[in-house]
Amino acid sequence: DVKVTQSSRYLVKRTGEKVFLECVQDMDHENMFWYRQDPGLGLRLIYFSYDVKMKEKGDIPEGYSVSREKKERFSLILESASTNQTSMYLCASSSKSRPGSQFFGPGTRLTVL
Amino acid sequence: EDQVTQSPEALRLQEGESSSLNCSYTVSGLRGLFWYRQDPGKGPEFLFTLYSAGEEKEKERLKATLTKKESFLHITAPKPEDSATYLCAVQARSGAGSYQLTFGKGTKLSVIP
Repeated sequence: DVKVTQSSRYLVKRTGEKVFLECVQDMDHENMFWYRQDPGLGLRLIYFSYDVKMKEKGDIPEGYSVSREKKERFSLILESASTNQTSMYLCASSSKSRPGSQFFGPGTRLTVL
Repeated sequence: EDQVTQSPEALRLQEGESSSLNCSYTVSGLRGLFWYRQDPGKGPEFLFTLYSAGEEKEKERLKATLTKKESFLHITAPKPEDSATYLCAVQARSGAGSYQLTFGKGTKLSVIP
């Protein structure tokens, strides 16, 4: 059974902390994505990567960075967490041949106090 | 800028009462239109991809159709287990947007026994 896993289901951090969210996929997919999902705003793309060490900004990259050192792993970093980054974070992956058919992880609900 | 509008925002149906969900889109060259299902507290689950006007896809009680400006998700004789939020997304044909999806805000479907 194909899987995208995320390091935590729930996370509580304090303002100013550095936060790491990790995502691992076992489908040998080239593409990986980080989204955040907020009520009334829907799913918004933060960053994506189409190859190891490659990254592209999505629609809302401010306040975030990413790292992809291995094909199966894509990390989202909040350098200095702020309360407006409280959200559900979803990781997804897809193949090079079908980039739009994305497989999502279960999500990490991050609360920044 | 690519845009996706879904209607209605919420829909309550009696079990067995068929209906349709709408997804209107504007995109600079459509590469694909995607439907996802999302259960509460979980990541979206891929349902269908549609590539060209006139195309139809079916899965159990769901059928997705595509025109040049919109897509419909028809639900025939729904059951309570069909209750979920249904998301529509578009993928542009070229450029950086060819990797990423633009999502609508979703339609929350509730099927009452």
